Amino acid sequence: AQSVTQLDSQVPVFEEAPVELRCNYSSSVSVYLFWYVQYPNQGLQLLLKYLSGSTLVESINGFEAEFNKSQTSFHLRKPSVHISDTAEYFCAVTPADTHFNKFYFGSGTKLNVKP
Amino acid sequence: NAGVTQTPKFQVLKTGQSMTLQCAQDMNHNSMYWYRQDPGMGLRLIYYSASEGTTDKGEVPNGYNVSRLNKREFSLRLESAAPSQTSVYFCASKTGEATDTQYFGPGTRLTVL
Repeated sequence: AQSVTQLDSQVPVFEEAPVELRCNYSSSVSVYLFWYVQYPNQGLQLLLKYLSGSTLVESINGFEAEFNKSQTSFHLRKPSVHISDTAEYFCAVTPADTHFNKFYFGSGTKLNVKP
Repeated sequence: NAGVTQTPKFQVLKTGQSMTLQCAQDMNHNSMYWYRQDPGMGLRLIYYSASEGTTDKGEVPNGYNVSRLNKREFSLRLESAAPSQTSVYFCASKTGEATDTQYFGPGTRLTVL
């Protein structure tokens, strides 16, 4: 069985400060990992994904995430946040035993960037 | 190219009423999904369809039925709505490629009184 745990339900941070949103997963098979962002009253949008290869992946808007197989983690980081980063962030996995067709989501982390 | 569209955007039902949520995608995607989103619980998969003509249960299928009408459309039906089904429902689609991600619709906010 798969599970995804996002340890922080809310993260308040001041503008231009660094932030880390934590994600841990549990799976007995190999997985692909994703971070999605959801702005108020909208659907989810892909932020970045890890499939294979380099364990550090980056998005176009300055976020990065590192896959750590031994700790089964995929934490999301940004060195300097902006007000516009205020949103809810979801970590997700899709396991190989579903042919990477079935997705499991964490409970979400609300990032609140204050001026 | 509209992506993934959902209708209606909002709906209020009384307990016991039935309704169908509609989803369509114009990206020629093979796989389609229905999720519900509840505060503090993230997204939970209700049903998915890996390809036209197939459907499979997700984590929370009880009280729901689905139809993959054709490659474009995937509907979710509540036969007898219950207050516990008050939620925001999202449809998503994906190509058949394992490495591809899902694309989400804007959601349907359903309230069951």
